[in-house]
Amino acid sequence: AQTVTQSQPEMSVQEAETVTLSCTYDTSENNYYLFWYKQPPSRQMILVIRQEAYKQQNATENRFSVNFQKAAKSFSLKISDSQLGDTAMYFCAFTLNIVGGGADGLTFGKGTHLIIQP
Amino acid sequence: DTGVSQDPRHKITKRGQNVTFRCDPISEHNRLYWYRQTLGQGPEFLTYFQNEAQLEKSRLLSDRFSAERPKGSFSTLEIQRTEQGDSAMYLCASSLQGRTEAFFGQGTRLTVV
Repeated sequence: AQTVTQSQPEMSVQEAETVTLSCTYDTSENNYYLFWYKQPPSRQMILVIRQEAYKQQNATENRFSVNFQKAAKSFSLKISDSQLGDTAMYFCAFTLNIVGGGADGLTFGKGTHLIIQP
Repeated sequence: DTGVSQDPRHKITKRGQNVTFRCDPISEHNRLYWYRQTLGQGPEFLTYFQNEAQLEKSRLLSDRFSAERPKGSFSTLEIQRTEQGDSAMYLCASSLQGRTEAFFGQGTRLTVV
């Protein structure tokens, strides 16, 4: 079974600072996907960034980037120039690549509550 | 509205009652997923469908939980004989086969009293 661990229950930074959220996972599989999802208060979960395990290059989406260390099974999220709207729960998630394409159900970590202070 | 829609948004029920939740996925999405999220935890995968076929149901929490997607469009999640421990947010998500991005609904918050 796969597990995802987020060791930071809460983080707080000042607006415009850079923040890094940590995530480690455990799997014996070689072909999988990793995700960071954002869940603002009382709103639905939205995808922030995705990484395919077979790609060595770290994914980047505007102010969001990841540091994917496959051998260490580590997948951290860096948010640059943080904004008040980044305040949310952030979940790291994992899924296997399944036959027929796409993905199986996601395995989530417990989340990190990120607070951006003005 | 082109997003994933869940109904109702909130449900309060007495212990022992049955409840049913509905999820309408994004129209062209053939995969549909159900998750449960308890307070302070990440979502927990329950089951998923590809079209009308339920491809994974071993992680449904007990035999009191069942899900259907009869015509491959909307889905329902039923909990029979509810218990206080069933109080949680129930999330639905959908995706296209061959794509890894899942789109989530706003969830149904269940409170069992």
